[in-house]
Amino acid sequence: GNSVTQMEGPVTLSEEAFLTINCTYTATGYPSLFWYVQYPGEGLQLLLKATKADDKGSNKGFEATYRKETTSFHLEKGSVQVSDSAVYFCALSERGGFKTIFGAGTRLFVKA
Amino acid sequence: DAGVIQSPRHEVTEMGQEVTLRCKPISGHDYLFWYRQTMMRGLELLIYFNNNVPIDDSGMPEDRFSAKMPNASFSTLKIQPSEPRDSAVYFCASTRTGGFHEQFFGPGTRLTVL
Repeated sequence: GNSVTQMEGPVTLSEEAFLTINCTYTATGYPSLFWYVQYPGEGLQLLLKATKADDKGSNKGFEATYRKETTSFHLEKGSVQVSDSAVYFCALSERGGFKTIFGAGTRLFVKA
Repeated sequence: DAGVIQSPRHEVTEMGQEVTLRCKPISGHDYLFWYRQTMMRGLELLIYFNNNVPIDDSGMPEDRFSAKMPNASFSTLKIQPSEPRDSAVYFCASTRTGGFHEQFFGPGTRLTVL
């Protein structure tokens, strides 16, 4: 079945450090891939998406590239801020389907 | 444009009581999802609807849980009787046919069963 595996947290970084959160997936066909972010006390919100191989999703300085050959969608940011502290979820949705499979989430703490 | 609306935001109840959680999806969205989030189990899909019809309820934990969607703008998740292990944050999300399947989440209902 379809699944998403992301690195365990928590990840603790100093402000302006480089961020990578690894995500790999298992799916049939060509799924759409997403990163969602959850700030404390809130629901998940879409951070970025990519719908086909080699697409790069980007938003708010975050980027992720859809790598079909390695079935990966790693999240990166060049310089994190304290306000980026949140839980990040990698997710996939099968083409033609509406059910979304979420990873376990990775908690990020950014220290000033 | 209003997002997904959930009520109540917090609910504290005693074991054995009936609990009803409510959700209003984004207007024009034809898919609605109910999730449960706990520290131990993460984010779990309970059930989802398409055009008010339940499509997959395989995530509903047991018969104590039921969900309805009487019309396109309202859904309920009911727990009867409630148990302490039901304590969690319950999220409602919606999306629409024709998009990229991104889901729009409500703020959640934090349920505490004493």
